[in-house]
Amino acid sequence: DVKVTQSSRYLVKRTGEKVFLECVQDMDHENMFWYRQDPGLGLRLIYFSYDVKMKEKGDIPEGYSVSREKKERFSLILESASTNQTSMYLCASSATGGAYGYTFGSGTRLTVV
Amino acid sequence: QKEVEQDPGPLSVPEGAIVSLNCTYSNSAFQYFMWYRQYSRKGPELLMYTYSSGNKEDGRFTAQVDKSSKYISLFIRDSQPSDSATYLCAMSVNDYKLSFGAGTTVTVRA
Repeated sequence: DVKVTQSSRYLVKRTGEKVFLECVQDMDHENMFWYRQDPGLGLRLIYFSYDVKMKEKGDIPEGYSVSREKKERFSLILESASTNQTSMYLCASSATGGAYGYTFGSGTRLTVV
Repeated sequence: QKEVEQDPGPLSVPEGAIVSLNCTYSNSAFQYFMWYRQYSRKGPELLMYTYSSGNKEDGRFTAQVDKSSKYISLFIRDSQPSDSATYLCAMSVNDYKLSFGAGTTVTVRA
């Protein structure tokens, strides 16, 4: 069963901490994405990557960075966590030209206190 | 104005009813259209995928795309309590970067 795995289901971090969210996919997909999901706002794209070491800003990249050193792994970094970054974070992957949409992970619910 | 508009509901229907969900969009370049289902505390899962205009049926689910009206719909026939979830529409210009609606929460009452 193909899978996108996010390392943590729940995280609680303090304001100002550097936070790492990890995502691994086993489908050999070229493209990987990080979204945050908030009530009433839906899914908003933070960053995406279409190849190893490549990254592009999404719609709300401020306060975040990403790293993709290997094809299967895409990390989201909160440089200095703030309370307005409390959210559900979803990782997804897709194949280029696959025309089958995204496969999502189960999400990480991050609370910044 | 958001690029993709979706009524968040919530929508509550009795078991066996037809559930009708829809989204409107503003970008006429969208040509790939999807519906995702998200159960509580889970990630979204792809339910239906349509390219360009037309209808697509899969069991109890029917997706419709009307590009001339910039309007897409999802119908669930003979709804079951297990269909209770949030349904997200999504669309794309290039089948790569998706734009999502806010999601509609559906409850099917037994």
